Amino acid sequence: DTGVSQDPRHKITKRGQNVTFRCDPISEHNRLYWYRQTLGQGPEFLTYFQNEAQLEKSRLLSDRFSAERPKGSFSTLEIQRTEQGDSAMYLCASSLNWGNTEAFFGQGTRLTVV
Amino acid sequence: GDSVTQMEGPVTLSEEAFLTINCTYTATGYPSLFWYVQYPGEGLQLLLKATKADDKGSNKGFEATYRKETTSFHLEKGSVQVSDSAVYFCALIRAGGTSYGKLTFGQGTILTVHP
Repeated sequence: DTGVSQDPRHKITKRGQNVTFRCDPISEHNRLYWYRQTLGQGPEFLTYFQNEAQLEKSRLLSDRFSAERPKGSFSTLEIQRTEQGDSAMYLCASSLNWGNTEAFFGQGTRLTVV
Repeated sequence: GDSVTQMEGPVTLSEEAFLTINCTYTATGYPSLFWYVQYPGEGLQLLLKATKADDKGSNKGFEATYRKETTSFHLEKGSVQVSDSAVYFCALIRAGGTSYGKLTFGQGTILTVHP
């Protein structure tokens, strides 16, 4: 296991369609995070998992967004009824479950809604 | 709430020039501070960090000192290289158990180094 992997790397979808992204964290990492990054901005926190429990959700995460981490390993982020404003880079990160340890990021999934 | 402010970019330098990228923060207590770097086509990578006041983080010739009195964590490098061209993000994790290691980022500074 060499790092956090995300799939797909790029996704183009039509407005109104549903999309799902996958993140595979580093295997021994209990913490998993999703962030969103728009052009010219820093990443913004979306949600956090500790093992399979979703412990925090940002107000940025509207009811069209849902995230899961069913077995405490990989995670999925689904966006329903996509809108053009959802176009962004979606980043996944993982870290060990103590203190303020380093978070390791995946390369991200770039979503374009047309 | 917590926030991080970085100097306006982009920054363009010649090789071997001195680099400073300013970063200031607003947070309660004593957050941990980080610089992340994003090279073209790659994910965010931790460059350096500091977890308490007056700590100096350093890596690959880059340095930053945690200044509590000025709430700053400026990034410096004495002699930049073309390979340092990237986007640099300052970030913090709030102190306390409920932060869960969640990062708050600045907006990023694009650095371009010419030969």
